[in-house]
Amino acid sequence: GESVGLHLPTLSVQEGDNSIINCAYSNSASDYFIWYKQESGKGPQFIIDIRSNMDKRQGQRVTVLLNKTVKHLSLQIAATQPGDSAVYFCAEWGGGNKLTFGTGTQLKVEL
Amino acid sequence: DAGVIQSPRHEVTEMGQEVTLRCKPISGHNSLFWYRQTMMRGLELLIYFNNNVPIDDSGMPEDRFSAKMPNASFSTLKIQPSEPRDSAVYFCASSRGGVRAMAPLHFGNGTRLTVT
Repeated sequence: GESVGLHLPTLSVQEGDNSIINCAYSNSASDYFIWYKQESGKGPQFIIDIRSNMDKRQGQRVTVLLNKTVKHLSLQIAATQPGDSAVYFCAEWGGGNKLTFGTGTQLKVEL
Repeated sequence: DAGVIQSPRHEVTEMGQEVTLRCKPISGHNSLFWYRQTMMRGLELLIYFNNNVPIDDSGMPEDRFSAKMPNASFSTLKIQPSEPRDSAVYFCASSRGGVRAMAPLHFGNGTRLTVT
């Protein structure tokens, strides 16, 4: 029979609004986190990273917030544009050799 | 500056055939990773090389899969024999430093493999 794929949560925002994409991570020992953007037909593209000794880091139009107490990571995109439409993944590096990816969030920007 | 280059972009083959995927990492990066992406399982790490040496291959599904890195600028992932359940997008990524370098991985655009 046909396999069932992962159901990606979807966030729909109006162009120009701010977007907040959330991620819960599993390993309390994780000490490095990365946000990736993946457009259709392309590989994941690095957006921003943060180490566990920080709780906030800002880039161009993007901000990552880290709350280690509740093991939560968020990506804020200011003034969302149509080109921001993509699947966004958080990834955690919890030791060993593995960068573990979340299941992703589909961001849709409505004109 | 060229990113990670993968070839071919698409591969369609019949069950039982050998498949070889190729990757050229970013110059100066000494860590290389092979990932597989499917709708069912998302992104999974298959194998990781550091300075051309395989460090962790615990993600390789079974003996049908093998990977090599003969030099710092080239790696291959081979599936022999291929099966329909191997159909997926295979990504190569590279980064500076070793596992604890806390450096982001940079991905290629992947090879979409279809095994019929």
